[in-house]
Amino acid sequence: AQSVSQHNHHVILSEAASLELGCNYSYGGTVNLFWYVQYPGQHLQLLLKYFSGDPLVKGIKGFEAEFIKSKFSFNLRKPSVQWSDTAEYFCAYGSSNTGKLIFGQGTTLQVKP
Amino acid sequence: KAGVTQTPRYLIKTRGQQVTLSCSPISGHRSVSWYQQTPGQGLQFLFEYFSETQRNKGNFPGRFSGRQFSNSRSEMNVSTLELGDSALYLCASRTESVSPWLFGPGTRLTVL
Repeated sequence: AQSVSQHNHHVILSEAASLELGCNYSYGGTVNLFWYVQYPGQHLQLLLKYFSGDPLVKGIKGFEAEFIKSKFSFNLRKPSVQWSDTAEYFCAYGSSNTGKLIFGQGTTLQVKP
Repeated sequence: KAGVTQTPRYLIKTRGQQVTLSCSPISGHRSVSWYQQTPGQGLQFLFEYFSETQRNKGNFPGRFSGRQFSNSRSEMNVSTLELGDSALYLCASRTESVSPWLFGPGTRLTVL
């Protein structure tokens, strides 16, 4: 069965630290990959997406992610986090054949001021 | 453009009752999908609709059903509610298959 695995469940960083959240998916066909963020009390928002082309994708708020096909990975990065980045982050895989999104378990990021 | 809207935002029901949740997609979006979010199971896919047709269904019991209307608005229904149905129910919409799903704020359902 298709699955998405996020390596870290809870990450605590100080402001200005660099961030990398791991995400691996299990399916090897044509993939659509996403990172969503859920700020406290807010709804799920799209951070960035990958459909095809340049494997390094840039999203909102300084986030980027790199698609590495050989490693089935789509890790999220940000060079310098801010307190306002405190949120839960979800990696999701979408099949090109169906509209179904398969989400990872989520990573809670806590940024200390 | 207004985002995906969901009503009601909060709902409290008792076991055995049924509930109907509503979703209005972003204007121009013809695809709608539903997800259940719980602390234990995370985000799980319920259904996907396009042009009033259910295209995909997740692994949920038959008590969970949905539909889409000609104006792309969608409803989901849960009959014979169980305590375990307490969750945040999220609706998402998109324009076409190569565009990302955009989510609404969700309906928080509590079953007592």
